[in-house]
Amino acid sequence: KNQVEQSPQSLIILEGKNCTLQCNYTVSPFSNLRWYKQDTGRGPVSLTIMTFSENTKSNGRYTATLDADTKQSSLHITASQLSDSASYICVVSVVGDSSYKLIFGSGTRLLVRP
Amino acid sequence: SAVISQKPSRDICQRGTSLTIQCQVDSQVTMMFWYRQQPGQSLTLIATANQGSEATYESGFVIDKFPISRPNLTFSTLTVSNMSPEDSSIYLCSVGSPPEEQYFGPGTRLTVT
Repeated sequence: KNQVEQSPQSLIILEGKNCTLQCNYTVSPFSNLRWYKQDTGRGPVSLTIMTFSENTKSNGRYTATLDADTKQSSLHITASQLSDSASYICVVSVVGDSSYKLIFGSGTRLLVRP
Repeated sequence: SAVISQKPSRDICQRGTSLTIQCQVDSQVTMMFWYRQQPGQSLTLIATANQGSEATYESGFVIDKFPISRPNLTFSTLTVSNMSPEDSSIYLCSVGSPPEEQYFGPGTRLTVT
């Protein structure tokens, strides 16, 4: 069964600190993996996208890693800011014969406190 | 990237009524998708809307409850019919341009009383 699991479910950190969010997937055939940021009451916004051959991808203070062998990904946030408070969703693409499908993780709710 | 707008941004509706949500994209796209996000949950795909053909619904979603229109390559509507409190969710449209690039609209927050 195609599945994406994220941990932790929620996280509270102090402003300026770093944090790492985890994503494990059992998806086949794998196409790519995305991390999205979703602010409360808004739609998800893509942070990074990685294909099978990519190990790491950065977008400002966000760095995503991918280990295709262990089927794990992480999102590292450096020097957190209050505006980083949001849900972070790991999404894996599955490619079929003539279509594709997105498998969504349940997300990690991050709260950055001053 | 694609810029997506949705109307309304939020609404409070009474049980038994219907609400139509509009999704407008700033460029022509082949595939449009409608998602539901229940409180505290992640996104669940309702259906794929392709221009010129009927929408393809995911398991657990039916056309009578969630009729979809796709009159052209930049616009789609989702209707939530005969609403109940369980339909209270955020409804999001997204586009794939090209496939596997997914951009999401801001969402419509629906509360059913």
